[in-house]
Amino acid sequence: GAVVSQHPSRVICKSGTSVKIECRSLDFQATTMFWYRQFPKKSLMLMATSNEGSKATYEQGVEKDKFLINHASLTLSTLTVTSAHPEDSSFYICSATSGRMDTQYFGPGTRLTVL
Amino acid sequence: GQSLEQPSEVTAVEGAIVQINCTYQTSGFYGLSWYQQHDGGAPTFLSYNALDGLEETGRFSSFLSRSDSYGYLLLQELQMKDSASYFCAVRTGGFKTIFGAGTRLFVKA
Repeated sequence: GAVVSQHPSRVICKSGTSVKIECRSLDFQATTMFWYRQFPKKSLMLMATSNEGSKATYEQGVEKDKFLINHASLTLSTLTVTSAHPEDSSFYICSATSGRMDTQYFGPGTRLTVL
Repeated sequence: GQSLEQPSEVTAVEGAIVQINCTYQTSGFYGLSWYQQHDGGAPTFLSYNALDGLEETGRFSSFLSRSDSYGYLLLQELQMKDSASYFCAVRTGGFKTIFGAGTRLFVKA
């Protein structure tokens, strides 16, 4: 199957700092990438859909100025959590797909802890 | 609104068969997927049904009835390693996907 990587896998930061999470498709060109957030023992909540070369589409209730998404190439999307606060602590998961795929492939996730 | 309903927990014994049901109500429907997620890990793709019927992949099978807005995941010959959360997910448009709340499967010896 297709491989998607995320970096870092785990990050701890101080309140008020910004954190960047990278999502890469390693063996295919991802025309679309998604960013999800997951709380413990809960479902995945879609935050935004990102198409290469265009602005991300954010879901209702997700602050686009707080969660900056950039999909600069067909293999890389980044999520930057700006001015992080403890309530932003969560498991962030990206997924990627191309037009030929029936499904999306998930990265391993990034666990963010804001102190 | 859009919703997916699946049981919150299921318990079964090793070697048994278990079925996890999913009913959905969405504004669009392209297909139903199933994902497995172990604690601390990312979801992994199990199956995708775009058309009615049963899809079989090894010990796992998935079924879809679009007229009933219903699908299920069937796990056979359960193993301890199958203990995980299972999410049904509906592709509503393009590749946008809505996930159910997940079913935690506990497999006992």
